[in-house]
Amino acid sequence: NAGVMQNPRHLVRRRGQEARLRCSPMKGHSHVYWYRQLPEEGLKFMVYLQKENIIDESGMPKERFSAEFPKEGPSILRIQQVVRGDSAAYFCASSIPGTYQETQYFGPGTRLLVL
Amino acid sequence: DQQVKQNSPSLSVQEGRISILNCDYTNSMFDYFLWYKKYPAEGPTFLISISSIKDKNEDGRFTVFLNKSAKHLSLHIVPSQPGDSAVYFCAASGGGSNYKLTFGKGTLLTVNP
Repeated sequence: NAGVMQNPRHLVRRRGQEARLRCSPMKGHSHVYWYRQLPEEGLKFMVYLQKENIIDESGMPKERFSAEFPKEGPSILRIQQVVRGDSAAYFCASSIPGTYQETQYFGPGTRLLVL
Repeated sequence: DQQVKQNSPSLSVQEGRISILNCDYTNSMFDYFLWYKKYPAEGPTFLISISSIKDKNEDGRFTVFLNKSAKHLSLHIVPSQPGDSAVYFCAASGGGSNYKLTFGKGTLLTVNP
């Protein structure tokens, strides 16, 4: 199965710890997107990355959150000094480059719980 | 400021009948619309999309209709099956940020046997 992979699927952190979420895009996809879903809400765009480049991080909180997509390896969404409000489902999506209207395919998500 | 709205949080339909899920948008720059289906504890699964140059797109039991003047789209599922029970999200992109999807809050569809 060459779908979008995310790990871990569930992550529990205490306030002040760091959370690292990983995403491997579908084979042949080089565009990665991160979205966050709070309870009872739709998904909200956070960041769009290509290999070694952050294209748009307009949806990312200004502090504590960072993302990368290195030349080798998965994309990482990093949350430093987590707070309870960071508890949410974080979804990664990927798409094929070169098309104007790109369909994004989503991974299963990482459910982060901050105690 | 919700640019994509799904005003019905839930919908219940009998198996074999038609399910109609609605979505309204406010941003006239949106030019690409997608429907995703989501089961609990899973990621959204792409169902069907439509470009603003069309008013209808069909794929098997799923048809999406777009009314640009009303800024409204709908997803029709015929015939509905119990396995269709899930949350359905409408999403849109366009206006220079063709990669940034804006989602509605979703509609929970329940198909009763």
